[in-house]
Amino acid sequence: DSGVTQTPKHLITATGQRVTLRCSPRSGDLSVYWYQQSLDQGLQFLIQYYNGEERAKGNILERFSAQQFPDLHSELNLSSLELGDSALYFCASSVVASGNSYNEQFFGPGTRLTVL
Amino acid sequence: GQNIDQPTEMTATEGAIVQINCTYQTSGFNGLFWYQQHAGEAPTFLSYNVLDGLEEKGRFSSFLSRSKGYSYLLLKELQMKDSASYLCAVRVRELGGYQKVTFGIGTKLQVIP
Repeated sequence: DSGVTQTPKHLITATGQRVTLRCSPRSGDLSVYWYQQSLDQGLQFLIQYYNGEERAKGNILERFSAQQFPDLHSELNLSSLELGDSALYFCASSVVASGNSYNEQFFGPGTRLTVL
Repeated sequence: GQNIDQPTEMTATEGAIVQINCTYQTSGFNGLFWYQQHAGEAPTFLSYNVLDGLEEKGRFSSFLSRSKGYSYLLLKELQMKDSASYLCAVRVRELGGYQKVTFGIGTKLQVIP
């Protein structure tokens, strides 16, 4: 158990719909990252938040958005869903990197999204 | 951006040794991670290298050569449970001091009896 929690575990919805995925980071971690992993694809970085502020953006579609709340949990919103959005969505958290410290990311169990 | 290459698939025999290579091209390099990911599960951290050389952790070792943009993960005394994908991830320091991590596509290792 990494200490990162994600809900829901599974989500089945229809094209055109909107869903919200939730993530709670490990206690003490200020950074939250969102990744998308499609079948047989690598981890695609979507977005990072640090202490409530957006820190970096990866290959995130305009239909997707995220935020980090004062209690540090984060939500990823996916709208106008398409079949191709079906994937595993992982949230990860880490402490702030300093110098050459590890600062490895701890991953949650993921949310499996199926768009029908 | 970062360009990370690893073999897509590998097969090895239980009890043997396997080496999974990773090459990268990037600027602002500030560390390389290896993660293990079983199918349908979350990636878990295995190792971190930032200086040249070998880091050993039980049956797993990771090597880095910064000048060659090359790393490998060495798995000894392979067990069936080692069947998983192994992800190489490179961290770079970008302008403003932000550190960004990019994952490779992963190497799917199958351990056979």
